[in-house]
Amino acid sequence: GQNIDQPTEMTATEGAIVQINCTYQTSGFNGLFWYQQHAGEAPTFLSYNVLDGLEEKGRFSSFLSRSKGYSYLLLKELQMKDSASYLCAVNYGGSQGNLIFGKGTKLSVKP
Amino acid sequence: ETGVTQTPRHLVMGMTNKKSLKCEQHLGHNAMYWYKQSAKKPLELMFVYNFKEQTENNSVPSRFSPECPNSSHLFLHLHTLQPEDSALYLCASSQDRTSGVTYNEQFFGPGTRLTVL
Repeated sequence: GQNIDQPTEMTATEGAIVQINCTYQTSGFNGLFWYQQHAGEAPTFLSYNVLDGLEEKGRFSSFLSRSKGYSYLLLKELQMKDSASYLCAVNYGGSQGNLIFGKGTKLSVKP
Repeated sequence: ETGVTQTPRHLVMGMTNKKSLKCEQHLGHNAMYWYKQSAKKPLELMFVYNFKEQTENNSVPSRFSPECPNSSHLFLHLHTLQPEDSALYLCASSQDRTSGVTYNEQFFGPGTRLTVL
């Protein structure tokens, strides 16, 4: 079966660093995506990993280990506007983006 | 503005009604998707269209009927729904990887909040 696990909720302090983990077991693997979703809004794309290692994009970084079925999203210098749900999704095959999503991690950033 | 629009934004319907959700993308993509997002559950892929052809139907009940008249428009026709179908319905689009893009992130619309009474 297909399964993606990530913590349900996390809390962090403004200015701090937080790491959101994601583990996956899928029938195939064609890349892993992280999306951000503010309450009542559409998910927006944050990052994509298909090879092992770290991808850095400003305050956000994402890491992938395919052998461990593991990824994390690292958010630095947290801001209040980073309070949102963070969705881990795996493209399990096909040329189009057939994605399976985790339940999302709700991050609350406190002053 | 993500380039994907959905109408209506909110819909309340009875179990005997027939309604349609509309999605339009202005990004020149060739793949479109319907997702269902329920509270405390992950985003569930419902249908995938690639170049107007349905390529995935993720075991969705027949009371949900998709239609893709062209690569910019996607509809979800609803009839005889159940209260458990109440959810946020999200549309997304992407460029197929065979088009030469490195990766094909999906761009989501704002969703339609559906309530079935």
